[in-house]
Amino acid sequence: GENVEQHPSTLSVQEGDSAVIKCTYSDSASNYFPWYKQELGKRPQLIIDIRSNVGEKKDQRIAVTLNKTAKHFSLHITETQPEDSAVYFCAANHGSSNTGKLIFGQGTTLQVKP
Amino acid sequence: EAQVTQNPRYLITVTGKKLTVTCSQNMNHEYMSWYRQDPGLGLRQIYYSMNVEVTDKGDVPEGYKVSRKEKRNFPLILESPSPNQTSLYFCASSTPGQGYTEAFFGQGTRLTVV
Repeated sequence: GENVEQHPSTLSVQEGDSAVIKCTYSDSASNYFPWYKQELGKRPQLIIDIRSNVGEKKDQRIAVTLNKTAKHFSLHITETQPEDSAVYFCAANHGSSNTGKLIFGQGTTLQVKP
Repeated sequence: EAQVTQNPRYLITVTGKKLTVTCSQNMNHEYMSWYRQDPGLGLRQIYYSMNVEVTDKGDVPEGYKVSRKEKRNFPLILESPSPNQTSLYFCASSTPGQGYTEAFFGQGTRLTVV
């Protein structure tokens, strides 16, 4: 079946450094790639998304890049802060079915050390 | 306030005792789904529903049932829970919208089956 692979599973950075999380997807028809942040004990919440007709999107300190040819996309967080510590999930839609189904990666636990 | 509400938040039960986790959304979303979250495995889809009376299996449907009699509600039923169903469960809703579909998650239900 279709899947999304996410790396690394854990990431530890010093406050102020950058963090990068990478995902690859298998469904060539996928055209929507959201990123969710899950703080400890909370629900996942959308932080940024990108559509397949765009190569990069930025929102303040976070950015997402997409390489459709290679079928991978990445989340970049600059100037990390302790409040960025959370689990991050990438996802890709099931493009061929247009059902609204999202396929999630395994998650990355980001720790930002003060 | 737009939201997805799950109940209960926490549940401890015994093997074989039927239980239902409720999910309700007030955003008139067509698409609803259930996920389970386990360490290292990310968010795996259990069942989803495209609209009233339209449901289908996700990636890990064994041992679960769902129903969609009303647009706003999508309960998850465990007819005979087993310890391997101990997990954190999330309900989510979205509107398909050409495949670009932000999923809104409920608060989560932590289920323990002993």
